[in-house]
Amino acid sequence: SQTIHQWPATLVQPVGSPLSLECTVEGTSNPNLYWYRQAAGRGLQLLFYSVGIGQISSEVPQNLSASRPQDRQFILSSKKLLLSDSGFYLCAWSTLAGGRNEQFFGPGTRLTVL
Amino acid sequence: AQSVTQPDIHITVSEGASLELRCNYSYGATPYLFWYVQSPGQGLQLLLKYFSGDTLVQGIKGFEAEFKRSQSSFNLRKPSVHWSDAAEYFCAVGAISGYSTLTFGKGTMLLVSP
Repeated sequence: SQTIHQWPATLVQPVGSPLSLECTVEGTSNPNLYWYRQAAGRGLQLLFYSVGIGQISSEVPQNLSASRPQDRQFILSSKKLLLSDSGFYLCAWSTLAGGRNEQFFGPGTRLTVL
Repeated sequence: AQSVTQPDIHITVSEGASLELRCNYSYGATPYLFWYVQSPGQGLQLLLKYFSGDTLVQGIKGFEAEFKRSQSSFNLRKPSVHWSDAAEYFCAVGAISGYSTLTFGKGTMLLVSP
């Protein structure tokens, strides 16, 4: 069966510091991968998605970036965090196997920028 | 552009009472529809999905949803709510086939009173 991991689970960082959040998927090959941010009362905001190694699409321009160095690894980064980057970050995967397109979510990372 | 509207931000239901959460979507083709549930501090769990066939779909935890094309709706229902159902519920829409991202509603927070 497939599983998705995110770490760290929680993170407190000062403004201006760098960020690296990691997401890995097990039990599937060539998944589509997604990063979402969830802020209170605003639902899920899609930040990035990837259909393959090195292929990143950005949905919202901001000071965050994403990379996919391996098939089942997706990394969210920032060189300098802003207060507005605080939120709950969710990674998800999907596959088109069988024509389905549902997304499966990781446990999330709670980021607080002070 | 596709969109999802969940008109109720909060809903309070007594334990044992029936539940209906509303979802309206806008999509230019035949939609693939989902309901997810999120407990506090957790990732999203897929409750059910619809992409074709019977317009009444059954999901996990006793939930069901009905697709009504004429009303562009996909409302979630449960005949008898349990205290453990208290959580936030998200409706989402995407393409049936091929690669596409999902568009999520802003969520409905369900509170269950004793």
